[in-house]
Amino acid sequence: GQQVMQIPQYQHVQEGEDFTTYCNSSTTLSNIQWYKQRPGGHPVFLIQLVKSGEVKKQKRLTFQFGEAKKNSSLHITATQTTDVGTYFCAGLRGAQKLVFGQGTRLTINP
Amino acid sequence: DTAVSQTPKYLVTQMGNDKSIKCEQNLGHDTMYWYKQDSKKFLKIMFSYNNKELIINETVPNRFSPKSPDKAHLNLHINSLELGDSAVYFCASSQDWAQQETQYFGPGTRLLVL
Repeated sequence: GQQVMQIPQYQHVQEGEDFTTYCNSSTTLSNIQWYKQRPGGHPVFLIQLVKSGEVKKQKRLTFQFGEAKKNSSLHITATQTTDVGTYFCAGLRGAQKLVFGQGTRLTINP
Repeated sequence: DTAVSQTPKYLVTQMGNDKSIKCEQNLGHDTMYWYKQDSKKFLKIMFSYNNKELIINETVPNRFSPKSPDKAHLNLHINSLELGDSAVYFCASSQDWAQQETQYFGPGTRLLVL
């Protein structure tokens, strides 16, 4: 079945450092979505990428979709304590179910 | 107003009991989902309904029975609860099945089976 792998599983950084999480799919995706889950909270939609090679930015967050539409990354510049949480990618292939990666849990030392 | 609501927020029960979790969305969406998040934070889809019809059933034990009385509601009934059912259960909705764009998650129901 469709697999979406996400690395790293955990990342601890000093406040102000950059952070990147990577997402890889075994199959070509029609789109990829990113979600953030704060500790004790629920996943909240961040962004959707659809086009090959697409890059989108939200303030300090940069999202990329690979040329082959099999991988994606989320990069946070100069992390802040409000960035703490688990970041999930979720891939969609055709009209099938959205498959979530395992998530990357980000913790930050202030 | 809460877009996707779930009740109860917390559920502590004994093994062998039967319990239900309710979900409602006021977004006018056609598609609703149930996800299970285990202690390692892994999010796994259980069921998906589109306009009250079951679309996905991800090899979930038949002790779990979803019911959608209308497209704004998707409830989850669990029979004969087991220790391994302890998890956070999230309800979610999206505009429709074909697009599967943004999924809006409820606050979750934290189930602990003793």
